[in-house]
Order: sequence, then structure tokens, then C-alpha cells
Amino acid sequence: AQKITQTQPGMFVQEKEAVTLDCTYDTSDPSYGLFWYKQPSSGEMIFLIYQGSYDQQNATEGRYSLNFQKARKSANLVISASQLGDSAMYFCAMREGAVGAGSYQLTFGKGTKLSVIP
Amino acid sequence: ETGVTQTPRHLVMGMTNKKSLKCEQHLGHNAMYWYKQSAKKPLELMFVYSLEERVENNSVPSRFSPECPNSSHLFLHLHTLQPEDSALYLCASSQVPQGASTDTQYFGPGTRLTVL
Repeated sequence: AQKITQTQPGMFVQEKEAVTLDCTYDTSDPSYGLFWYKQPSSGEMIFLIYQGSYDQQNATEGRYSLNFQKARKSANLVISASQLGDSAMYFCAMREGAVGAGSYQLTFGKGTKLSVIP
Repeated sequence: ETGVTQTPRHLVMGMTNKKSLKCEQHLGHNAMYWYKQSAKKPLELMFVYSLEERVENNSVPSRFSPECPNSSHLFLHLHTLQPEDSALYLCASSQVPQGASTDTQYFGPGTRLTVL
């Protein structure tokens, strides 16, 4: 089974609207971390937001928020007030194991290509 | 320079060539990573160095040889590559802490490699 599933290969959103990018994960480890990255056409992977498995509140970073539903094993990224510069690939990733416990591996999903329409 | 830098940004090489990719991090981190990103495939972890020691090697062919001379620099030496090795090679770094907080990996801009 895939550890990270992103079911939307491509998404369109109107400028200034909000958009939700889906991510579901699969792990039996009680300690894990979930990350979202943005990859523009230039290639660099830009870190957006992080959610730890024991974090009580959903993570937020500016226009980015993470809708963390632990029982459903989902960690959807919400981008509010979309901008043209948000057009990019978006990747969800998971680290299994506690921070600092020697768990280095990040498992990435296949990504969602977001296109913002003016 | 800030963040994670990689050189060269683009590389074209023949199957008999030997080349090296360079990565430098300016974040004071203690772990560095090499990833491969092929078209239509998820990002694949190749190597991990923590405190300058290799801690993970994910079944990567021996034609890829990593080197980490210090905590700020990471190299990927390439020799006798195959056309299927053409991909975007991304370097990342992180701080591996003891206890709480995050270990977010920060990436460089990548080297786009084409093997003819």
C-alpha cells in the first residue's frame, strides 16, 4: 500500500479563491510528522508547513493551513486567497518515527499540480 | 549565500564520463540528503549523512558515490551512468534534534542531469 496518497493529479483554482489539496497517509507508527512542499517549475522544493502527530491544533503558516484529521489519516493543505504565484506542484510527505529518533526518511506522494487562473 | 545551494544547475554527460554534483548548506544543519526525482515518479531518497557519517543508503547503484567531507558540504560522484539516470537530483539538509521540535528538510534548487 502507498504510504502517501495524493488523489488529485491536477487542480484549477480561480485567483483569490481558496483551494484544498488532498493527502492521505498510511502508518502504524504512533509518532510521525507530515510535511507539505511546493515545487515551482524551477525545481526547488520549498517547505510550506509541518504537522506532528501529537500536535493538538492544526498547523497554520500565513495563507497555508493544514486540515489534520488523525482518525481519517488525512492531512489536507488549504491555501487561502490563491495567487498566480501559487501555481506549482505540491507534495505531501511523511516521516515515520519520533523526531530525533534516527528517522530520516521522508516518503513523498506523487504530487498535485495546481494552476491558478487569473 | 543562504539556504541550500547546488552546482551545477544543469549537466549533460555521456555514459562514459565522470562528473560530480556539489551541495552546500548555509543553515548550520547536521544532516544532509540526496534525492532523485524522475518524471512521473515520487521523490526517492538516495543517501543520508548525519554528522558526516552515512546513515542510509537506499539500494542505490554503485555508479553513484556520495561524499560528505564536512557538515556543510555534500557531493555526489557520478560515473558510467545510464540514460535512465537522467533526472532532477535534489540535495536537502536538516537539523536532527534531540527531543521535541521538527526536523524539517530544506532543499536546494536541484541539478537537472541528462545522460546521453
